Amino acid sequence: AQSVAQPEDQVNVAEGNPLTVKCTYSVSGNPYLFWYVQYPNRGLQFLLKYITGDNLVKGSYGFEAEFNKSQTSFHLKKPSALVSDSALYFCAVRENSFTSGTYKYIFGTGTRLKVLA
Amino acid sequence: EAQVTQNPRYLITVTGKKLTVTCSQNMNHEYMSWYRQDPGLGLRQIYYSMNVEVTDKGDVPEGYKVSRKEKRNFPLILESPSPNQTSLYFCASSSAGTGFQPQHFGDGTRLSIL
Repeated sequence: AQSVAQPEDQVNVAEGNPLTVKCTYSVSGNPYLFWYVQYPNRGLQFLLKYITGDNLVKGSYGFEAEFNKSQTSFHLKKPSALVSDSALYFCAVRENSFTSGTYKYIFGTGTRLKVLA
Repeated sequence: EAQVTQNPRYLITVTGKKLTVTCSQNMNHEYMSWYRQDPGLGLRQIYYSMNVEVTDKGDVPEGYKVSRKEKRNFPLILESPSPNQTSLYFCASSSAGTGFQPQHFGDGTRLSIL
């Protein structure tokens, strides 16, 4: 069964410092990975995705993520954190619809990022 | 404005009283999905639809029904709600285009079943 793990419930970082939010996955076949962000009282918003190609993926709001196949990880990063980055972040994997014909998604449990001024 | 609209945003009701949460998208998306969000559990997929009249179970379908009679609408039905269905629910949609298009989420519906 496919799974996604976000090992940290909360990450605290000082404004201006680099941030990393961790995600590891377990899938059969090629992984299709996503990061979403959730602000209070709102739905999730897409940040970036890895389907194939370069291991470093750039996304919205200055975020990027590094795909590491050997470590089965897809960590979210940003070189310089802003207070406005404080939110709940979710990693997700989509089942390969070409092989299984599904639209199934597995989400991690979320990591709350707190950027301190 | 491209959006996914859920109604109601908040609902408090009692055990056993049938309810429907509506979801509508104006982006002509083929795929739609329902999730529930619970503390410590993240988002779990309830049902999804890949086309009109095509629906399938996600990871936690028990106690829920869905229908997809029109492309834009994907209502979630709780025939006999129970307290363990108290949760925050999200509807999402995405295009079937190449490259695994990202999901667009509604702003959520907070259900409390007493």
